[in-house]
Amino acid sequence: AAGVIQSPRHLIKEKRETATLKCYPIPRHDTVYWYQQGPGQDPQFLISFYEKMQSDKGSIPDRFSAQQFSDYHSELNMSSLELGDSALYFCASSFVNTEAFFGQGTRLTVV
Amino acid sequence: DQQVKQNSPSLSVQEGRISILNCDYTNSMFDYFLWYKKYPAEGPTFLISISSIKDKNEDGRFTVFLNKSAKHLSLHIVPSQPGDSAVYFCAARGHGAGSYQLTFGKGTKLSVIP
Repeated sequence: AAGVIQSPRHLIKEKRETATLKCYPIPRHDTVYWYQQGPGQDPQFLISFYEKMQSDKGSIPDRFSAQQFSDYHSELNMSSLELGDSALYFCASSFVNTEAFFGQGTRLTVV
Repeated sequence: DQQVKQNSPSLSVQEGRISILNCDYTNSMFDYFLWYKKYPAEGPTFLISISSIKDKNEDGRFTVFLNKSAKHLSLHIVPSQPGDSAVYFCAARGHGAGSYQLTFGKGTKLSVIP
C-alpha cells in the first residue's frame, strides 16, 4: 500500500540558508500535517492543511512557511536556518477525522 | 503546559508478559485518541485508536482502554514480544473543524526482554 513519502530523507544546511522539505500524502487523503521532533522530544505540531487550505497552526516559527498544492503534495519552506532547527521533520496525512499516517521523516541538520 | 502526559519515560517487560503503557490528558475537548509506535529515525506508525464514545478497542495483541472521567487511557500489549521494543506515543485530537492537529505525549520507551 502507498505510504506518505517525504523527501529528502536527510538534509544538511548551513546557518542562515533555506531548506524545502516535500511531502507526498497517501492518495485520496485530504489532510496533511507537519511535525517537528527535536532530539529527545515528542513530535511538535507545526501546521496542517485540509483540501489545500491551512486548517490549523501550531508552534511554527515565522521563518517557516508551508503550502499544499493542487496535487495535494505539501512543502515546508524554512528560511534563515538556525542551529536549533536541527530536527526530524515528519509529514503525516489522513482522510479527515481518521488516523494520521506518518512518513519516514526528513532529518535536517543545520551546521 | 503538556496536555497529553506519559509519565513513564521507560518500561521493561519480560517476553510473553503484559505491557501496560499509560497516558493522561487534561483537555476535555479531546475526543479521539491514538497510539503510535516509533523506531529510531523512522516515522511514527499508527497502532490503534479509540473514540471517546467507547471505553475499549481491541486489535490483535493491542487493546486500548479509555477512562473518560479520569482522562486516562492505557495501551495493553499481550503477549509482549521483543519486536514490540520501541517508543510508544499517545496522541489526542479535538473535535470539529480546525481541530485536526494531534497533540502528542513525550513517549514511553518499551523494552521487551527475551
